[in-house]
Amino acid sequence: EAQVTQNPRYLITVTGKKLTVTCSQNMNHEYMSWYRQDPGLGLRQIYYSMNVEVTDKGDVPEGYKVSRKEKRNFPLILESPSPNQTSLYFCASSPGGPADTQYFGPGTRLTVL
Amino acid sequence: DAKTTQPTSMDCAEGRAANLPCNHSTISGNEYVYWYRQIHSQGPQYIIHGLKNNETNEMASLIITEDRKSSTLILPHATLRDTAVYYCIVINDYKLSFGAGTTVTVRA
Repeated sequence: EAQVTQNPRYLITVTGKKLTVTCSQNMNHEYMSWYRQDPGLGLRQIYYSMNVEVTDKGDVPEGYKVSRKEKRNFPLILESPSPNQTSLYFCASSPGGPADTQYFGPGTRLTVL
Repeated sequence: DAKTTQPTSMDCAEGRAANLPCNHSTISGNEYVYWYRQIHSQGPQYIIHGLKNNETNEMASLIITEDRKSSTLILPHATLRDTAVYYCIVINDYKLSFGAGTTVTVRA
């Protein structure tokens, strides 16, 4: 089944403790991206990647890192999480770019205490 | 990317057509209009997209004005399962911004 998977789905952590949220797609898509969703603000793009080893900042990249060493994986790294990063996170992929249909993962609900 | 403006919320009666407006007055000639929806807190789902012609698929119809400054998403026979947040997006470069969308509530 074609899908985007994210792990973990739920995470409660404490300020400053490094964490990684994984994202994987099995559709051989070139484009992958991360979003955060907060009440009243819609989805805001954090980082995107056009291909392996090619990543760029979205609208809200501060406090996040990403890497794209393989086409299928696009992990989101929070080196020193803070409470204002408590949010619902979505990973998405598409065949060629943002103008292609985006396939979203199920979301990761992160709470930073 | 061109910015979009959508109403914050709207109600619709089950079985009736739901017409969702979107303004994108600064749209450029090669920018597409996309619509996605998000049911509860699931990942957004693609609905439809268009450039200048009206489009229809199994989920909805998209009407784009001749000057391309606004569009309307039409859900022809709304059901309770169409209750969701609907996002109108204009895409040109590599970024993607969703905005707050329109919360559509379909009532029995």
